[in-house]
This record gives sequence, C-alpha cells and structure tokens, in this order.
Amino acid sequence: GQQVMQIPQYQHVQEGEDFTTYCNSSTTLSNIQWYKQRPGGHPVFLIQLVKSGEVKKQKRLTFQFGEAKKNSSLHITATQTTDVGTYFCAGRGTTDSWGKLQFGAGTQVVVTP
Amino acid sequence: DGGITQSPKYLFRKEGQNVTLSCEQNLNHDAMYWYRQDPGQGLRLIYYSQIVNDFQKGDIAEGYSVSREKKESFPLTVTSAQKNPTAFYLCASTRRVGQPQHFGDGTRLSIL
Repeated sequence: GQQVMQIPQYQHVQEGEDFTTYCNSSTTLSNIQWYKQRPGGHPVFLIQLVKSGEVKKQKRLTFQFGEAKKNSSLHITATQTTDVGTYFCAGRGTTDSWGKLQFGAGTQVVVTP
Repeated sequence: DGGITQSPKYLFRKEGQNVTLSCEQNLNHDAMYWYRQDPGQGLRLIYYSQIVNDFQKGDIAEGYSVSREKKESFPLTVTSAQKNPTAFYLCASTRRVGQPQHFGDGTRLSIL
C-alpha cells in the first residue's frame, strides 16, 4: 500500500536560520496537505497542493509539490520560536479510497533562541 | 464558533472494559474521521464516514467500533479486543472529499 515518508524526523534550528523538511510517497498522489501540530495540541491545516510542480507561499513558509506528484517539501526561512511544533504531510493516492489520507510521521522542529 | 468537540480530554480504561470517546461537530461537515496518534508517529486512520449510517474501516480498525446515527456525531468505542489502546485519539471532519481536515483537541486514553 501507499506509504508517506518524512525526513528528517527531528530538526533543531537556531532562530533566524532556514530549514527544509521533505515528504516522499511510494505512489503518485492526487494532492498533498501540510499540517502543523504544536506541542500538546492538535494538527492544524496549513495548505493543500494539487498541481504538478505547484509552489505556494505563506509568509516565511514555502510549499512545493514535485513534478511527478510523489514528493513535497516545506521550506521555512528565518525560523522563529513560534515555528516550534511537528509538521506533517498527508497525501491521498490516486487509487485510494476518498477517505484514506496517509500521514507521514512528521518532522519535529525545535528552535533554539 | 463552529468546531469539533471531543470528550473527555483524558480517559482511563480498566482491563476488559469498553470505553467510548465522543466526537461532535457543528460545522455541518459531511465526512468524519477517527485517527490514532502514538508518540513519534503520524496519524493512523481507524474509521471514517461520509454520510449518516455509513462508515468504512481505515488501516487499524481492529478492536474499535463506530456509529454514525447523526451527521454531527461520530463516537468511537475502544473495545477490550484492542490490546494496546494507550494513545492520543483525534477526531476530524471535512466538508467534502479532498477538503482540509479540521481536528478536535483529542482524547488521551490510558490503561489503568
């Protein structure tokens, strides 16, 4: 079945630095969504990418969907302490049932002031 | 404000006991989902439902049961057959297929 892998599992970042987290699927995806979960909280939707090669920006966050629609990335510039949390990608395979969104294990981000 | 309410926030289960986690939404969403989250892991789908009186098994449905008698409610029962129930349980809903998922605050279930 479809698997969604995220790397790295942990990311320690100095405040002000940039970093990127990657999401890779074993199969072609219909779309990919990104969520952020603060410590002790619940996942909150950030963005959805649908088109091959799509790039979307939200302030300091840049999301990209690969040309083959099998991978995605989230790049954060000038990291702030408010960026602390776990970032999940989630995708639905082109042959999956409508309800089956596969989540990656997440990248846990720790920011050092 | 519209949202998803999960209760209780913390729940303890005794051996051999069934427990039910509540999930209510007033977003008028058609689809609802239950996920299990274990430390250091992503969310794994337990059950999902598109309409009232209809639901499908997710990837880890064994030891769990659900009902969808009302559009706004999707309770999850963790049965005694689930041998490792300690986890964080999240309920979510979407307006339609492919839409972003809205999550409740979750229920932490532990074994006594």
